[in-house]
This record gives sequence, structure tokens and C-alpha cells, in this order.
Amino acid sequence: GEDVEQSLFLSVREGDSSVINCTYTDSSSTYLYWYKQEPGAGLQLLTYIFSNMDMKQDQRLTVLLNKKDKHLSLRIADTQTGDSAIYFCATGSSNTGKLIFGQGTTLQVKP
Amino acid sequence: NAGVMQNPRHLVRRRGQEARLRCSPMKGHSHVYWYRQLPEEGLKFMVYLQKENIIDESGMPKERFSAEFPKEGPSILRIQQVVRGDSAAYFCASSPREGRAGELFFGEGSRLTVL
Repeated sequence: GEDVEQSLFLSVREGDSSVINCTYTDSSSTYLYWYKQEPGAGLQLLTYIFSNMDMKQDQRLTVLLNKKDKHLSLRIADTQTGDSAIYFCATGSSNTGKLIFGQGTTLQVKP
Repeated sequence: NAGVMQNPRHLVRRRGQEARLRCSPMKGHSHVYWYRQLPEEGLKFMVYLQKENIIDESGMPKERFSAEFPKEGPSILRIQQVVRGDSAAYFCASSPREGRAGELFFGEGSRLTVL
């Protein structure tokens, strides 16, 4: 079946940039998403990118998509302790909210 | 505008009992999705419903699990004769229409513990 893979853990110091990586297998994915989950909470949509885009920037967040390699990354500039959470990459097609999620990357931000 | 509301937030059941999880979508949303998150894993799609219709249940276990979204009232995910392996967080998401990016909103989840 289709798959989305992420590294499990990333630790950075406050003020540094964080880069969370994701690879996927479904070449028909139209949308690629990044969600944030804080402990005991639901998922918050951070940003998404269409498959015909290479890059999207939204304040401190930059998403890069390499469609050829099926690689997606999320860069968080000036990482803060409040950014500590689990970040999920997800893919979907244009006509459904049925998403395929990665297993999540736990971001630890040290003061 | 209230978000997606799920209840109960936490539910404890003994093996063999039934679990009922409820999801009220955002106002104006008629599409509901249920996802399951096992410990230390990502979310897995279970079922997609519109009012009174199951559109895609390809992620639902064949036995003991059922879902509905009646004309009136919340969507309900029902698990009969629960087993320890059903312990997970169950998330509901809603959207106003089919599959528009950025329009899928998640609830805070219902965490089921089976003793």
C-alpha cells in the first residue's frame, strides 16, 4: 500500500532552525500536508502544498517539495520551545479527505 | 464557530464491553472522517461518511466496528466487544465539501483504554 515515512525524533536548540523530512510513495498525491500535535491534543493543520509547487513559505514555516524524489520537508525558522510537539506529514488526492499519515516526528526544543 | 467536538475525551472499558464515540462536525460541515491513532504511530484512516451514507469504509476492521452519521445528531463510531488492541486515540475530522485542501479540521480525539 501507499506509505509515508518520517524520522522519529529531532532535537534542536531554541533559536535554531528545524528541518523535518518526509518521503512518500504515492505519486498521485495532489496535496501534501504538515500537521502539529501537542500532547493530548488533536491535530492542527500548519500548512499544505500543492503537488505542482516546489516551495511555500508562511511566516516561520517553509515547505519544500521535491516531486521527483517524493521528498517533502518542513523548515521552522527561529524554533521556540512552544514548537515542541509531534509533526505529521500527510498526503492526499484532490477529491477526498482520506489522508495517509506518516508516523510523526517528535521535535524537542531545548532552551 | 465551535470546532469539531468529540466526546467522551477519555473512555475506559473492560474487555467485551461496547464503546461509543461521538463526533459533532463543525457547523456547515456534512463530511466526516474517522481516524485511529495507535500508541507511537500516525493516524490511520478508518471511514468516511456523509449524512446518512457511508462513502468509504476501506479502513474499518471487518468485525466489531461500525460507524454512522444520521440525518440529525452526531456521527458515532461504535466498537463492540472491545479488546485490548482497540486501545487508541480515535480522531474525527470534518469538511464542508469533498476533499478541498485546508478544509479538513480535526477534533481533539477520544482516547479509549481497554482494561
